[in-house]
Amino acid sequence: EAGVVQSPRYKIIEKKQPVAFWCNPISGHNTLYWYLQNLGQGPELLIRYENEEAVDDSQLPKDRFSAERLKGVDSTLKIQPAELGDSAVYLCASSPTRAASEQFFGPGTRLTVL
Amino acid sequence: DAKTTQPTSMDCAEGRAANLPCNHSTISGNEYVYWYRQIHSQGPQYIIHGLKNNETNEMASLIITEDRKSSTLILPHATLRDTAVYYCIVRVRGDGQNFVFGPGTRLSVLP
Repeated sequence: EAGVVQSPRYKIIEKKQPVAFWCNPISGHNTLYWYLQNLGQGPELLIRYENEEAVDDSQLPKDRFSAERLKGVDSTLKIQPAELGDSAVYLCASSPTRAASEQFFGPGTRLTVL
Repeated sequence: DAKTTQPTSMDCAEGRAANLPCNHSTISGNEYVYWYRQIHSQGPQYIIHGLKNNETNEMASLIITEDRKSSTLILPHATLRDTAVYYCIVRVRGDGQNFVFGPGTRLSVLP
């Protein structure tokens, strides 16, 4: 069974440019998460989806970040405009339900903002 | 904020047992202890979880003290591929509470 797929794996952009990350969760997983991971730190939750509904986006900087999960499957995380401090790894994870013990993570997208 | 405290780093000789401690002195009665690990350039991977009884699976063993204020993850025969950052997390199971990751313990398995 395929795991969580993310693309691109790496992205380098100049500040003030827009950028988008894509995630395809494991088939049948209703819950989808986007995390941000800075160097040397653990992942931090940005947003959680239950099917197509964003149920926890309290940590998402809404002035520049946006996310969507149309049809409750794939998801896209966007930053516009990107700032130098946005350089990090963006991780997507999914689980069968929000109560599941195990979250399955993708490999992440490493963003570098110059 | 993470509710756990872990050493920043540890070394272990290949083939020996790796014992990774975690303090969670403020754990609530309905909170489980979870362990994840993150190998370089990969996303975190679930290892094991438990409430109060010791747990074992094909990857590791989890030993939780009787007062539940601390636990130890044991990798019985560490290999070079076990080199990773290990995260200890406490979370209420079943109500959808988010996982809160701290900085974890960087385990280096040495040849």
